[in-house]
Amino acid sequence: DGGITQSPKYLFRKEGQNVTLSCEQNLNHDAMYWYRQDPGQGLRLIYYSQIVNDFQKGDIAEGYSVSREKKESFPLTVTSAQKNPTAFYLCATARGTVTNSPLHFGNGTRLTVT
Amino acid sequence: GENVEQHPSTLSVQEGDSAVIKCTYSDSASNYFPWYKQELGKGPQLIIDIRSNVGEKKDQRIAVTLNKTAKHFSLHITETQPEDSAVYFCAATPSHNNNDMRFGAGTRLTVKP
Repeated sequence: DGGITQSPKYLFRKEGQNVTLSCEQNLNHDAMYWYRQDPGQGLRLIYYSQIVNDFQKGDIAEGYSVSREKKESFPLTVTSAQKNPTAFYLCATARGTVTNSPLHFGNGTRLTVT
Repeated sequence: GENVEQHPSTLSVQEGDSAVIKCTYSDSASNYFPWYKQELGKGPQLIIDIRSNVGEKKDQRIAVTLNKTAKHFSLHITETQPEDSAVYFCAATPSHNNNDMRFGAGTRLTVKP
């Protein structure tokens, strides 16, 4: 989706290091989400934010942190406390939180931790 | 919470044939069921969705059916083309919030020319 930019596309880190994944959107959407995708599994929600300066834990928030200082930006930090950080990370946005606004996804960041 | 199961995990069809992917859900309160298509190296894209007050919805070669009694819904693709090859995900949510949405594990569809 051209309106959501995730960078970088590939990221390599050594075990024990924190790493921050970028997600920027120009769709003027209120809600933003971070999902983790592992082979053979559905998307799992890490964190979400429905409004600036507010965010909530999803199903698998342990070892991750986020911030929402601007409407356009929702960076995800993968900390050294995340036991299995190697995965494909997807950022998504939605126009609002009423009546199931469709999710719009970025093209993802593939993180490899060795 | 909601649990969504998706079958099959892989599906191979000949160009021009139909493809059917099935999902079941556990929460009878679920009321919104989107389908996403994910091409290699890209994020998922919404291709069709259905709400619980409708039994079937069509969009050109794509259709989705919903059976609330049995708690299952299906994606039907007719006259398949090689560009339909991708991973397809179903999802369900019992609320108006996307944060309650649960996804199936995905189906890798291959359309052979």
